[in-house]
Amino acid sequence: QVQLQESGPGLVKPSGTLSLTCAVSGDFITSTNWWNWVRQPPGKGLEWVGEVYHSGLTNYNPSLKSRVTFSVDKSKNRFSLTLSSVTAADTAVYYCARADYDSGVGVDFWGQGILVTVSS
Amino acid sequence: EIVLTQSPDTLSLSPGERGTLSCRASQSVSRNYLAWFQQKPGQVPRLLIYAASTRATGIPDRFSGSGSGTDFTLTISGLEPEDFAVYYCQQYGGSPLTFGQGTKLEIK
Repeated sequence: QVQLQESGPGLVKPSGTLSLTCAVSGDFITSTNWWNWVRQPPGKGLEWVGEVYHSGLTNYNPSLKSRVTFSVDKSKNRFSLTLSSVTAADTAVYYCARADYDSGVGVDFWGQGILVTVSS
Repeated sequence: EIVLTQSPDTLSLSPGERGTLSCRASQSVSRNYLAWFQQKPGQVPRLLIYAASTRATGIPDRFSGSGSGTDFTLTISGLEPEDFAVYYCQQYGGSPLTFGQGTKLEIK
């Protein structure tokens, strides 16, 4: 069974940088799947942040592209998200997820999510 | 970017009734790569339907998806108490991936 687990600080100061990591088990980060980030502000809907492939290929939400960076650590089977210049609007539960496009399934497995609050 | 608009925003029904949720795309969804997710309070979104009409593993057959192009529907026949939740559609036929705003299915 594929499992994903987010980790990182739960509190980030305004204008700072949010950094999260997603550890993957039950699948290889070097598989043909894409590795996604989705966020959900408290009480609101889901917003796609973007995705990364093990080769370094990326796709971003245009509204966040200028502030987002993804990376992949093949040796530790994990991937990461960095979001710079954060504001209160970036407060959300951040989910990492797997997308299987080869099978036509799309986003199938999700992590449990981590609440990140932007506050001084 | 494809904008997905779900309707209604809130649907009030009783257990045993049939629920019909709509998702309309601003342009055609490539390969009908449209998914439906269920989310209960404090829980992770759960994949119900992918490629517009294929049930994900373990999803009861009372959930069915239909549609193509720009108009898609999630139907829940014979609502069970555990089906009352928020439902999101998502298109993954092209980047950026986008979600609808959600439909809240509540007990009448």
